[in-house]
Amino acid sequence: KQEVTQIPAALSVPEGENLVLNCSFTDSAIYNLQWFRQDPGKGLTSLLLIQSSQREQTSGRLNASLDKSSGRSTLYIAASQPGDSATYLCAVRPWDNYGQNFVFGPGTRLSVLP
Amino acid sequence: NAGVTQTPKFRILKIGQSMTLQCTQDMNHNYMYWYRQDPGMGLKLIYYSVGAGITDKGEVPNGYNVSRSTTEDFPLRLELAAPSQTSVYFCASSYTSGGAHTGELFFGEGSRLTVL
Repeated sequence: KQEVTQIPAALSVPEGENLVLNCSFTDSAIYNLQWFRQDPGKGLTSLLLIQSSQREQTSGRLNASLDKSSGRSTLYIAASQPGDSATYLCAVRPWDNYGQNFVFGPGTRLSVLP
Repeated sequence: NAGVTQTPKFRILKIGQSMTLQCTQDMNHNYMYWYRQDPGMGLKLIYYSVGAGITDKGEVPNGYNVSRSTTEDFPLRLELAAPSQTSVYFCASSYTSGGAHTGELFFGEGSRLTVL
């Protein structure tokens, strides 16, 4: 059974710092991996989607990498801003459960201090 | 571009009442999902649908029912509400097919339900 973990559970950094959020999954047979942002009381906003054949994706100050062999993905946020404060979740789509379910991590709560 | 729209955003129910959470998407996605999110418990799949007329149970289906009569709409019905159904409910959709399609998952804003 696929399991997804995210470390750390919470992170607090000063504004301007570069940071890395980690996502680990137990089964490398995945279709894709997606990073989301969730603001308090809001839905999940898609940030980046990495297909299983890709190594990384970039959008603005965000860069996500994928290493299937080690079961890891990282989300790199450059020059963090207070507006980046939110909970970040990763989710994998298992290959053998094609399209039926995503397995979500518990999230990392990020606070960027002015 | 509306994306995934859920109504209502907030609702308080009494034990034993029933209600329907509405979800509609305008992206012509074939897959639709209902999740619940509880503090410290992560997202759990309630039901999903792979297309109009086809639905299937997820991880926590008890106490809920769904239907999918059109591609756009995927309502979630709560029968005989119980305090354990107090949660935030999210509808999501994606387009999934063979080949190179991305299958990106999009979420609605959520419906916060309290059962007293």
